Amino acid sequence: EDQVTQSPEALRLQEGESSSLNCSYTVSGLRGLFWYRQDPGKGPEFLFTLYSAGEEKEKERLKATLTKKESFLHITAPKPEDSATYLCAVPSQGGSEKLVFGKGTKLTVNP
Amino acid sequence: NAGVTQTPKFQVLKTGQSMTLQCAQDMNHNSMYWYRQDPGMGLRLIYYSASEGTTDKGEVPNGYNVSRLNKREFSLRLESAAPSQTSVYFCASRGTGFGNTIYFGEGSWLTVV
Repeated sequence: EDQVTQSPEALRLQEGESSSLNCSYTVSGLRGLFWYRQDPGKGPEFLFTLYSAGEEKEKERLKATLTKKESFLHITAPKPEDSATYLCAVPSQGGSEKLVFGKGTKLTVNP
Repeated sequence: NAGVTQTPKFQVLKTGQSMTLQCAQDMNHNSMYWYRQDPGMGLRLIYYSASEGTTDKGEVPNGYNVSRLNKREFSLRLESAAPSQTSVYFCASRGTGFGNTIYFGEGSWLTVV
């Protein structure tokens, strides 16, 4: 069974305090790993797609990296507006049309 | 760009009532999805449609039916609503090809009393 596990479940940071979120997966033959941001009351918003181990992508204060078994979302000098739930997802082994999501990490950045 | 549009945004149903959630996308995507999101459970796939005319069950299909009306529209029907179906429902769509991402609608909040 495909598994996507995110840790920690919740993370509180002070503004400017850098940290990382983790996403581990058990799907073999990875066909992409996706990161999303979800604000309260909104649908998930696409951030990154990573395709192969060693790949990195950046957007403002966020950098996503990928290894063979996990991905990290690094947040550098976060601001309160970075507060959100961050979700990762991978295509299911049963067919790449389905994405399996982790339960997310709720990030709170205090001013 | 409208992207993925869902209606209604909020709905309260009584147990046993039926209703249909509507979804439309304007990105010419082949694949469309219905997810539900519950506290502590994450996003769970209800049904999906890889192309017009096809539908497949996801992780939690019981109590739901879907219709892929055309390439743009994918509806989700609750025939006899139950309190366990109280949730936030998200419609999504995805283009074809390796690594194409899924784009989500804004969500439909459903309460069954």
